Amino acid sequence: SQQGEEDPQALSIQEGENATMNCSYKTSINNLQWYRQNSGRGLVHLILIRSNEREKHSGRLRVTLDTSKKSSSLLITASRAADTASYFCATDVGGNQGGKLIFGQGTELSVKP
Amino acid sequence: DVKVTQSSRYLVKRTGEKVFLECVQDMDHENMFWYRQDPGLGLRLIYFSYDVKMKEKGDIPEGYSVSREKKERFSLILESASTNQTSMYLCASSTLTTGANVLTFGAGSRLTVL
Repeated sequence: SQQGEEDPQALSIQEGENATMNCSYKTSINNLQWYRQNSGRGLVHLILIRSNEREKHSGRLRVTLDTSKKSSSLLITASRAADTASYFCATDVGGNQGGKLIFGQGTELSVKP
Repeated sequence: DVKVTQSSRYLVKRTGEKVFLECVQDMDHENMFWYRQDPGLGLRLIYFSYDVKMKEKGDIPEGYSVSREKKERFSLILESASTNQTSMYLCASSTLTTGANVLTFGAGSRLTVL
């Protein structure tokens, strides 16, 4: 079952612009994570935000979490061509499914030089 | 410093063949996972394992089995490959000892079934 839905499915911007990706989910979560995938490769963990947190920063990344709306957003500031990749949100629902992450379908980001 | 290694990056098999996809991690993680990734469908969990000789079905286990005889190795088995199993297969591992389940992925195995 797909918990996360991401929006937009694809995003094309110019270098230097900010990129915002959104993720919605359906059930309560322990935490929400964002991953990046370069074409044809595995995923790489970017950032994790716990259910009791509202905002988190890591370098040029800013993640927000609104548990009342069951949504999260990932902002990449001052984007670079090297940021071109697919970005996935993943939810950890914990409980008796501890350890299992459910991924969204991803947002394909293209940053043009 | 590769931490999750998938034995084959690209495989081409014929319908009905038995296929083994191997995954090894060197981080002493207790959890290991197999996902498949298809365009428009994202990542879907096939099987996962919390410990040696232990396995749990994910969302799409049909047509697959797994083996975890050693902590560091988690194998995905397609008993009789079919064309609808053509996909990218991603192995991942994690530990809950840090308090959060963060996955480390392998580079992926792209399987084509003819």
